[in-house]
Amino acid sequence: EAGVAQSPRYKIIEKRQSVAFWCNPISGHATLYWYQQILGQGPKLLIQFQNNGVVDDSQLPKDRFSAERLKGVDSTLKIQPAKLEDSAVYLCASSLRQTTSYEQYFGPGTRLTVT
Amino acid sequence: GNSVTQMEGPVTLSEEAFLTINCTYTATGYPSLFWYVQYPGEGLQLLLKATKADDKGSNKGFEATYRKETTSFHLEKGSVQVSDSAVYFCALIYNQGGKLIFGQGTELSVKP
Repeated sequence: EAGVAQSPRYKIIEKRQSVAFWCNPISGHATLYWYQQILGQGPKLLIQFQNNGVVDDSQLPKDRFSAERLKGVDSTLKIQPAKLEDSAVYLCASSLRQTTSYEQYFGPGTRLTVT
Repeated sequence: GNSVTQMEGPVTLSEEAFLTINCTYTATGYPSLFWYVQYPGEGLQLLLKATKADDKGSNKGFEATYRKETTSFHLEKGSVQVSDSAVYFCALIYNQGGKLIFGQGTELSVKP
C-alpha cells in the first residue's frame, strides 16, 4: 500500500513570496490533515478535511494560508505572502475516516525555509 | 485547554539500556493517549495507544500505561537498540474524531 505522498520535499523562498505544497493521501482515506511543525515543537493542526469539506480550520492563519481538496482526494496548501515565521516542516496526514483520527498516516513532510 | 508536556531531549543511551520518556497531559475529562515515533527521514507513525485509565499500550517492546491519577503516559523500553534512535511524540485526542494534540517531541539517540 502506497503511503502519503508530499511534494516538494524542500523549498526555500524569500519573504513575501508565495509557495504551494501538494499532498496525495492513502487511497480510500476520507480524512486529510495539514500540520505545521516548527523546529523543536510538536505538529500543530492547521486544517482538517473530511472528503472535500473542511472540518476544522480554527488554527489556520486565513489571511495568508489557504488549502483545498477539491475532489476529495489530493490537496494543496498555499502560503501567500510568506513570512519568516512560516519556516517549518509542513506535514500531511490521512486517516480512513474521522472517527479513526487517532491513527493517522503521515507523509515525509515539506521543509520550508523563508529567508 | 488540552495540552501535552514531554521531557526535554536529546536523550542519549547506550545499547541495551532502559528507556523512560516522561509524558504528562492536561485535559478535561478522559482523553485517549498515544505515542508516535518519527525515524530519521520518515513520517510520523503510530507506536502505541491507550484509550482509558489503567490501559497499557505496547508495541515493538515499548510500553506505556495510562495513569489518570498522575495524568501521565510515560514511554518505557527495557533494552533499547540503535534502531530505536528517533524522535518520540506523546499525543492526546480529547474525543472520538477530535484532533491530535502533540507534545514537543523527545529525541532519542542510542549508541552502540
